[in-house]
Amino acid sequence: GENVEQHPSTLSVQEGDSAVIKCTYSDSASNYFPWYKQELGKGPQLIIDIRSNVGEKKDQRIAVTLNKTAKHFSLHITETQPEDSAVYFCAAYQKVTFGTGTKLQVIP
Amino acid sequence: NAGVTQTPKFQVLKTGQSMTLQCAQDMNHEYMSWYRQDPGMGLRLIHYSVGAGITDQGEVPNGYNVSRSTTEDFPLRLLSAAPSQTSVYFCASSYSTGNMETQYFGPGTRLLVL
Repeated sequence: GENVEQHPSTLSVQEGDSAVIKCTYSDSASNYFPWYKQELGKGPQLIIDIRSNVGEKKDQRIAVTLNKTAKHFSLHITETQPEDSAVYFCAAYQKVTFGTGTKLQVIP
Repeated sequence: NAGVTQTPKFQVLKTGQSMTLQCAQDMNHEYMSWYRQDPGMGLRLIHYSVGAGITDQGEVPNGYNVSRSTTEDFPLRLLSAAPSQTSVYFCASSYSTGNMETQYFGPGTRLLVL
């Protein structure tokens, strides 16, 4: 089955700096890669996604890149703000498989 | 729209007790699923449904039953709770059964089995 590895498990950055979270997947048939943000006590919420026919997608301060050959994709957050502090999950969809999450802390 | 709702928010059970976690969505979504979230393990799929009357097993189905009698509701049943089922449970839904559909998650149910 699909295996998704996510790194790092925790990440601390200063406000205004960039944050990068990386995921690798094993099933080359996976064709959809969403990123979810989970705030404390809440369910995950989609923040950005990318499909396998696209290499990069950007939405304001958030971007996702996909390298199908290497089977990895990354979440990039620029100009981080304290409200970006949360747990972030990647996922790979052929059979839905989630990464183990990254706890991001943005230090004011 | 209320989106995806889950009840209860928190529950304590004793080993061997049974209970039903409720999930409802008002978006007319065909696809619904249940996940459990444990520290360091991300979200793991328990059961899913592609429409009323149709359910299937996910990655970790043992100890859980589901049914889907209506499009709106997808309850998860624990027949005989075990401490290993202590977790946070999330219900999710999406518009279609296609694997490139955004999933909408409920707020979760925290379950403690003593």
